[in-house]
Amino acid sequence: KNQVEQSPQSLIILEGKNCTLQCNYTVSPFSNLRWYKQDTGRGPVSLTIMTFSENTKSNGRYTATLDADTKQSSLHITASQLSDSASYICVVRTSGGSYIPTFGRGTSLIVHP
Amino acid sequence: SQTIHQWPATLVQPVGSPLSLECTVEGTSNPNLYWYRQAAGRGLQLLFYSVGIGQISSEVPQNLSASRPQDRQFILSSKKLLLSDSGFYLCAWSASGHGTDTQYFGPGTRLTVL
Repeated sequence: KNQVEQSPQSLIILEGKNCTLQCNYTVSPFSNLRWYKQDTGRGPVSLTIMTFSENTKSNGRYTATLDADTKQSSLHITASQLSDSASYICVVRTSGGSYIPTFGRGTSLIVHP
Repeated sequence: SQTIHQWPATLVQPVGSPLSLECTVEGTSNPNLYWYRQAAGRGLQLLFYSVGIGQISSEVPQNLSASRPQDRQFILSSKKLLLSDSGFYLCAWSASGHGTDTQYFGPGTRLTVL
């Protein structure tokens, strides 16, 4: 069964600090992995996408890594800002032509001033 | 550019009442369309997806239904709402094909069933 597990479930950090969110998956065959940011009461917005051959992808202060061998990904946020407070969702797709991605439950990040 | 609209933004309905949520996409043709539900503190649950007009696939058996009367219109309905139908409903689209492209989400509808 395809599954995506995220940790931690929630995280509180101080403004300016760095943090790392984790995503482990069992989706097979693997096509790509995306990280989405979902602000409270809004729809998710894509941050990064990585395919099998990519190890690192950056989008501003967000850096995602992928280890396809261990089926793990991380999202590192540098110099956090108050606006980073949101839920971060890891989503994995198979390469079998499926229209259905597998979503993690998300990590809720709160950045305090 | 492409945009996706959902309405209403919020809705409070009594148990047993009907439901109709609408989603429209602009700026693209023949998109794949999706309905998701997000319960409080839970992940996104795929309810329905559609790859074309009149083509609906259901992922979760329930008292909800979906229809796609036009290429860029996706409707979520229920004849009789249950308390468990409360949640945040998100519509999304992706480029046509095998669904490997990014999904773009609408602003969502917050449904409360009392």
